[in-house]
Amino acid sequence: GDSVTQTEGLVTLTEGLPVMLNCTYQSTYSPFLFWYVQHLNEAPKLLLKSFTDNKRPEHQGFHATLHKSSSSFHLQKSSAQLSDSALYYCALSHNAGAKLTFGGGTRLTVRP
Amino acid sequence: DPKIIQKPKYLVAVTGSEKILICEQYLGHNAMYWYRQSAKKPLEFMFSYSYQKLMDNQTASSRFQPQSSKKNHLDLQITALKPDDSATYFCASSQDRDNYAEQFFGPGTRLTVL
Repeated sequence: GDSVTQTEGLVTLTEGLPVMLNCTYQSTYSPFLFWYVQHLNEAPKLLLKSFTDNKRPEHQGFHATLHKSSSSFHLQKSSAQLSDSALYYCALSHNAGAKLTFGGGTRLTVRP
Repeated sequence: DPKIIQKPKYLVAVTGSEKILICEQYLGHNAMYWYRQSAKKPLEFMFSYSYQKLMDNQTASSRFQPQSSKKNHLDLQITALKPDDSATYFCASSQDRDNYAEQFFGPGTRLTVL
């Protein structure tokens, strides 16, 4: 079956430092990968998703690169902002259905 | 205006009772989903519907029954409630049941079973 692993449950950073949240996956199929962000008491929202042509997706300063060789889709940002504090989920879907399989989530806290 | 409406926002129920969670989307989407988020399992897929037909069911228990009376409605009936059912239930939708389509999530219904 499919699975997504996010190794860090909690990440605390100082504003201005780089962000890297890890995501690795296992899937029988060739999946599409997504990052969703959930701010406190809000619904999850799509942050970015992998492209079919292997271009690097970027949004709000975040980017992620799909590495099929290592089954990874790490999320990165060069400089963290206070407003980036949120719960981040990595997820995958594939041709056998549109259901999203989520990782355990990483709670990012950015301090002044 | 909110595009995906979930009612109620908060729900408290007693063990053994039955509740219905309401979801309506006004995005013109053809596919709808239910997900559950709890302290034990952070976001977990439950059901997917496409054009009002059940496409995927990943919920082991028959106590959870989705109901689609209209194309833009997907309610979730839960019977014989247990404390372990306590979670936030998110309804989501996408243009089509496409593995690459963005899924939009509703605000959620937080269910507490006493």
